[in-house]
Amino acid sequence: GEQVEQLPSILRVQEGSSASINCTYENSASNYFPWYKQEPGENPKLIIDIRSNMERKQTQGLIVLLDKKAKRFSLHITDTQPGDSAMYFCAAITGGADRLTFGKGTQLIIQP
Amino acid sequence: DPKIIQKPKYLVAVTGSEKILICEQYLGHNAMYWYRQSAKKPLEFMFSYSYQKLMDNQTASSRFQPQSSKKNHLDLQITALKPDDSATYFCASSQALGGYEQYFGPGTRLTVL
Repeated sequence: GEQVEQLPSILRVQEGSSASINCTYENSASNYFPWYKQEPGENPKLIIDIRSNMERKQTQGLIVLLDKKAKRFSLHITDTQPGDSAMYFCAAITGGADRLTFGKGTQLIIQP
Repeated sequence: DPKIIQKPKYLVAVTGSEKILICEQYLGHNAMYWYRQSAKKPLEFMFSYSYQKLMDNQTASSRFQPQSSKKNHLDLQITALKPDDSATYFCASSQALGGYEQYFGPGTRLTVL
C-alpha cells in the first residue's frame, strides 16, 4: 500500500506572495504524483502532476518538485491570487491498478 | 459540456435501503474509478476498472458493488445503507491504467438517515 502525509493542514498567505505545500510518501515504487484543487461543493480538479522520471515541473504559476530519495514532493504557488483560495490535495499512485492515495489536504487561504 | 456525468447530484436514503449511483464518461477513457469523500476520511479510493474489468478493490464491505454495463459506464450499487455511508462519491476516469491523469466527475452527495 501507500501512505501520503500532507502539511500544513491550513496555510494563510498574503496575496501576491508564494505558498508551499509539502507531501511525503512511503512506497518507493510510487511513480506518479498529481495535485488537485477542490473548491467548496465542487469536484477535485487536476492542476499539475509529476512523474518519477522528473524532478521539477512548472506550469502557469505552479511548480512541483519531486525528491525521490527523500520520498517528498511539493507544490509551490507563486504570486497567489484570491482565486487560489481552496483545498489542495496531493496524491501518489503505486502499482498497476492506479489507486490514488491522497493526503488529507491543505486549506489555502489568501489574505488581502 | 460535462464529460463525466454522475447522477443524481444529491441523494437521500433511509438506513437499510439500497441505491445505485450512476457514472458515465464521454472522454473515450478505458479506466474508471470510484472514490469517496467524507468529513472523516477525505478522498478515499474504492475501486478501479480497466476495460470493464475490476482491477483493484479497497472497499472491505461487499455492500458496495460496482457495475459496468458499457465501457464508459461504471455504476455503484450500495445495499443495506448505513448512516456511516453518508459521503460524496466521485467517479473518475483516465485514458488507461499506467499513471495517466485521472479526472473526477461532479460527485453524488449521499445522505443516509
